[in-house]
Amino acid sequence: TQLLEQSPQFLSIQEGENLTVYCNSSSVFSSLQWYRQEPGEGPVLLVTVVTGGEVKKLKRLTFQFGDARKDSSLHITAAQPGDTGLYLCAGERGKDSSYKLIFGSGTRLLVRP
Amino acid sequence: GAVVSQHPSRVICKSGTSVKIECRSLDFQATTMFWYRQFPKQSLMLMATSNEGSKATYEQGVEKDKFLINHASLTLSTLTVTSAHPEDSSFYICSAMGEAFYNEQFFGPGTRLTVL
Repeated sequence: TQLLEQSPQFLSIQEGENLTVYCNSSSVFSSLQWYRQEPGEGPVLLVTVVTGGEVKKLKRLTFQFGDARKDSSLHITAAQPGDTGLYLCAGERGKDSSYKLIFGSGTRLLVRP
Repeated sequence: GAVVSQHPSRVICKSGTSVKIECRSLDFQATTMFWYRQFPKQSLMLMATSNEGSKATYEQGVEKDKFLINHASLTLSTLTVTSAHPEDSSFYICSAMGEAFYNEQFFGPGTRLTVL
């Protein structure tokens, strides 16, 4: 079972459309990160949200952390083909020697031109 | 940002052989390195956490005798897949964390392992 469930698993949309990806858990995380990964490469950090209810914007991407720090969402406005990739949320657990990232199940996005 | 490299980027080996993958932090000292495995169309699964100079901590279900991890210096960690079998074929990704970048992991580009 996946500790962090993402939905949808796969999304194929037309260029210019808006979309939202959800990341849900029954556990509380100290913070949550969003990554984008392209085929054959490592994931690249997009944002870290720390405070419950926090909203962060990165150009056309809007990230929100749930009030209870158990869930998060990523909204993309006017999607472009360059947004195509695997989007991963990851929750931070522990600190110092016990620190680890728990990755979500992933959402594969395809933006068609 | 900090840079993490992996070598090799892809490797093909015969069943039963051992393969070593290197993970290097190029411009910072990595006190902690993580090893992940990613199967096709799936997410990253943490295999183990290694701190410089101490034994790695393995996640539940990961065989420590099969996946040997060595973190001998602050810039290098190695993962050796011993007696590899086709089911070990996967994308292996490392990440590194240093005191200068509190709680931010920098990921390597990954190593594609194919066991024939």
